[in-house]
Order: sequence, then C-alpha cells, then structure tokens
Amino acid sequence: DAGITQSPRHKVTETGTPVTLRCHQTENHRYMYWYRQDPGHGLRLIHYSYGVKDTDKGEVSDGYSVSRSKTEDFLLTLESATSSQTSVYFCAIQGGRGGYTFGSGTRLTVV
Amino acid sequence: QKEVEQDPGPLSVPEGAIVSLNCTYSNSAFQYFMWYRQYSRKGPELLMYTYSSGNKEDGRFTAQVDKSSKYISLFIRDSQPSDSATYLCATETSGSRLTFGEGTQLTVNP
Repeated sequence: DAGITQSPRHKVTETGTPVTLRCHQTENHRYMYWYRQDPGHGLRLIHYSYGVKDTDKGEVSDGYSVSRSKTEDFLLTLESATSSQTSVYFCAIQGGRGGYTFGSGTRLTVV
Repeated sequence: QKEVEQDPGPLSVPEGAIVSLNCTYSNSAFQYFMWYRQYSRKGPELLMYTYSSGNKEDGRFTAQVDKSSKYISLFIRDSQPSDSATYLCATETSGSRLTFGEGTQLTVNP
C-alpha cells in the first residue's frame, strides 16, 4: 500500500507484557506517525518522528515509546500493555501530494 | 472541546443521492484541510486535499472550506454503494501533524 507496511496485522497479548509494533516504509519519507483509532475518539496521534532518532510525543503518548534507528523503520512499543491499549494502530507517512499515506493497521487486543 | 468536531452519524442514503458531510474546527491557525475515506478494516486513504477557502472538485467529490466560519464540507454527487465507508476530516497543525475528526459512517443503499 504505497510502500508502507505494518506488522503484525493482528496480535493478542496479555496485560503487563511488552509489545512492539513495526512500521516499514520504502518511500524514504522523513516524517512518520503512529496513531490509534478507537470508537468515539477517531484517530489520535501517539508519537511521531521527523528523522532518524528524532521523535516527539503526540496527544496520547502515555504508556508508549518509539524508536527510529533507520529512515525506513518506526517502532512503537507498549512498555507494559493494559486493556485500555486495545485498539487499532495505524502508521502513516507524509505523502507527496500532501496529507498522509496510511498503513493497513494492526489490531491489538490486550487480555 | 475537540479541535475538530464531526458528527459520527451513521448516515444512510439511497443510491444517487447527494451526500453532505461536515466538520467544524476551532483553531484559526489551521491552514490545510483534508478528507479521508476509510473502508471497513482498512487504513484511511486521502480523498481530497485543500489549502484555501473555496471549493475543490474531483469527479463526483467536492470539498468546500469556509475559513471565516471554520467549517469544512465534503459533497458526494450521484452516490454509489461503493461510496459506503467512514469519511474523516482532518486539519494540519504545526509540525506537519494532522488532527482528525471522529469520522462519519456512510451507507449508500442500492
């Protein structure tokens, strides 16, 4: 999907365990973003990156960390998963004609 | 108060109807406005991208921005069952970050 892939597509994990979601792009874009999507809230920004090793917090960053050691990869880590982090997670890159290009999403269930 | 407000619907219309989707925003500094379409269990895809006040047309879709009233709209003419999806409005803030509305779920009935 326009050179952006997310893995895994689905994951079920237990409360208290760490979880890492991966976003990979082949577009060489500088900006990458992690959003979560929940009913009643829409898409909310968790963290974003504006270059290798350059990251910043979004509006719902508590309980999440990110890393970007290469231009093409942006990792989202749930340090100790909680049920409130059950959600659909989307990675996005800033597209060439403005706006974002989104990945297909990761459905995460914390039990 | 959310920075971008959007009625979540759901909205159900017959095939061929004109659909009007709307959002309001609170920050007058927003300069760029977008509409995304999201099919079930898929990622959002960019539908329309506008900068200034006024209308932008692309086929059956027209995006309208009124900065004076902080109001953005998307019109779909001759709606088709394939238009059934969730439509999200978005505005661009500083640092190239987008703020999204909640999304409106649209169903076009054959």
